[in-house]
Amino acid sequence: QKEVEQDPGPLSVPEGAIVSLNCTYSNSAFQYFMWYRQYSRKGPELLMYTYSSGNKEDGRFTAQVDKSSKYISLFIRDSQPSDSATYLCAMSASRIQGAQKLVFGQGTRLTINP
Amino acid sequence: GAGVSQSPSNKVTEKGKDVELRCDPISGHTALYWYRQSLGQGLEFLIYFQGNSAPDKSGLPSDRFSAERTGGSVSTLTIQRTQQEDSAVYLCASSLTGQPATQYFGPGTRLLVL
Repeated sequence: QKEVEQDPGPLSVPEGAIVSLNCTYSNSAFQYFMWYRQYSRKGPELLMYTYSSGNKEDGRFTAQVDKSSKYISLFIRDSQPSDSATYLCAMSASRIQGAQKLVFGQGTRLTINP
Repeated sequence: GAGVSQSPSNKVTEKGKDVELRCDPISGHTALYWYRQSLGQGLEFLIYFQGNSAPDKSGLPSDRFSAERTGGSVSTLTIQRTQQEDSAVYLCASSLTGQPATQYFGPGTRLLVL
C-alpha cells in the first residue's frame, strides 16, 4: 500500500465548476501538506502548503487538512480552462534533518472544458 | 529571480552508457533534492543535499546512481551503465534550510535509454 493515495482521474468538468481534489495518507508523522500543479512537459509548480490541520485559502484555491482522518483536499472555485493540468499532493514528515523528502500522490489529471 | 535550472532538457542514450544530469538551484537555497518521475511509479524521492553533504540517500535505486554537490550550489546526478528502466524525467528541487514544504522544482531532464 502506498503512503499517499490519490485518484489519478482523469477528471473533466465544465468551466466555472467547483473542483474537489483529494488525497489520503497512512503515515501519521506527516506534518506538512502541499499541492503542486504540473502542466504537460513542465516541472511541478508549488500552489499551496499547509502545516498540520486546518484550512488555507489563496484566491480561488482552498486547501484543507484533516489529520484525524488522514485526508487532505484542494478546492478550486470558478475553474478556468487554464487550470487544466495534473495536480499532485505531497507530504513531508518534519523539519528534522533527514526527513525533508516529499512523498507524492500519483497525481490527478484535471481538464476544464470551456 | 531565476528559478531552478536543469540541463540537458532531453537526453537520449544507449543502454550501458553513463549519463550526467545537472541542476542549478535557486540562489541562496542550501537544500537540494533529486526526484524521478515515471509513468508507473509517479514522482519518487532520490536524494537530499544540505549544503554539500547528503544526509538522505535512501531513494537511490541502485549503486549505479550517484550524486554530488559542490560549492553548496550546482549538483550532478550520475547514472552509470544505464538500463531501459532508468528512462524517466529527473527533477531537481531546492529550498531554504528547514523549509521542506517550499520546494521549488526545475523543468526536469527527460532521459530515454534505448
